[in-house]
Amino acid sequence: SQTIHQWPATLVQPVGSPLSLECTVEGTSNPNLYWYRQAAGRGLQLLFYSVGIGQISSEVPQNLSASRPQDRQFILSSKKLLLSDSGFYLCAWSVLKEKLFFGSGTQLSVL
Amino acid sequence: QQQVKQSPQSLIVQKGGISIINCAYENTAFDYFPWYQQFPGKGPALLIAIRPDVSEKKEGRFTISFNKSAKQFSLHIMDSQPGDSATYFCAATKDDKIIFGKGTRLHILP
Repeated sequence: SQTIHQWPATLVQPVGSPLSLECTVEGTSNPNLYWYRQAAGRGLQLLFYSVGIGQISSEVPQNLSASRPQDRQFILSSKKLLLSDSGFYLCAWSVLKEKLFFGSGTQLSVL
Repeated sequence: QQQVKQSPQSLIVQKGGISIINCAYENTAFDYFPWYQQFPGKGPALLIAIRPDVSEKKEGRFTISFNKSAKQFSLHIMDSQPGDSATYFCAATKDDKIIFGKGTRLHILP
């Protein structure tokens, strides 16, 4: 069966510090991978998606970046966090676009 | 630019009542319209979905109504139960991109 792992569950970081959130998927090959951010009043905002290794589409120009070094690994990064980067970050995967499977999320607080 | 507009932002319904959440989209290229349900502290999970060539889809107490000409679709929850209290998101899909609405926080009164 397919599973998605996302860590850490919670993270408190100072402004200006770097960020690395990792997501891995098991039990499937060549999935589409997604990073969403959930902030109060803004719903689920698509940040990045990837249809294959090294292929990243960015939806929101900001100080975040994403990488897909392996087929089932998706990493969200920042060199310098801003206060506005606080939120609930969700990784998701799909094989067919018709159903997204979400991870358990990372609650990021930038102080 | 908000491609999928969802309303209301919050909704309170009595147990046994009908909960209705509405969404509107702008891009006619969207070809799949799912609804996701999210409980606090969890990731969203697919609830029900519809394609634009169908006007209605029903699964148990959940029904999607789709109006292609108006570019609108809605979720109806019949006989609403306290366990349905959650945040609901509509979404629209084009190619590999899945765009969500801002969500509706639904509370069912016992």
